[in-house]
Amino acid sequence: AQSVSQHNHHVILSEAASLELGCNYSYGGTVNLFWYVQYPGQHLQLLLKYFSGDPLVKGIKGFEAEFIKSKFSFNLRKPSVQWSDTAEYFCASRNNFNKFYFGSGTKLNVKP
Amino acid sequence: DVKVTQSSRYLVKRTGEKVFLECVQDMDHENMFWYRQDPGLGLRLIYFSYDVKMKEKGDIPEGYSVSREKKERFSLILESASTNQTSMYLCASTKRMSYEQYFGPGTRLTVT
Repeated sequence: AQSVSQHNHHVILSEAASLELGCNYSYGGTVNLFWYVQYPGQHLQLLLKYFSGDPLVKGIKGFEAEFIKSKFSFNLRKPSVQWSDTAEYFCASRNNFNKFYFGSGTKLNVKP
Repeated sequence: DVKVTQSSRYLVKRTGEKVFLECVQDMDHENMFWYRQDPGLGLRLIYFSYDVKMKEKGDIPEGYSVSREKKERFSLILESASTNQTSMYLCASTKRMSYEQYFGPGTRLTVT
């Protein structure tokens, strides 16, 4: 069965530290990959997405992710986090049958 | 702006009650989804619909049913609520050829 794994459940960083959140997916076919963010009390919203082409994808608010097919990974990165990045981050995949699979989420706490 | 609205933000029901959760989107999206979000488990797909009167089971359909009589509205029904259905329920929609999901604010359901 298709699945998405996020290995970091809770990450605490100081402002200006670099961020990398891990994501691995299991589907062997064509897959679309996403990172969503949920700020406290707000809706889930899309940070970035990968469909094809350049494996380095840039999203909103300075986030980027790299698709590494050989490792089935799609890690999220940001060079310098801010307090306002405190949120829960979800990695997701979509398969050919239009089904979406979400990881368990990573709570990021940025200390000012 | 795409808007996905859900009928209630908070709901408290008793075991055995029939519960209706309503979701409405205003952007003429073909696809609509119901998820439940639980701590440490991320989002799990309950049902989705790719057209009026069409539905597909997700990963955890047991204990739930859905209805899509109009394009803009997708209802989740708990035929006989149980305490293990206490959760946050999220609705989402996408345009047919777009894979970006737009999420509603969620309904936090408590079954006592």
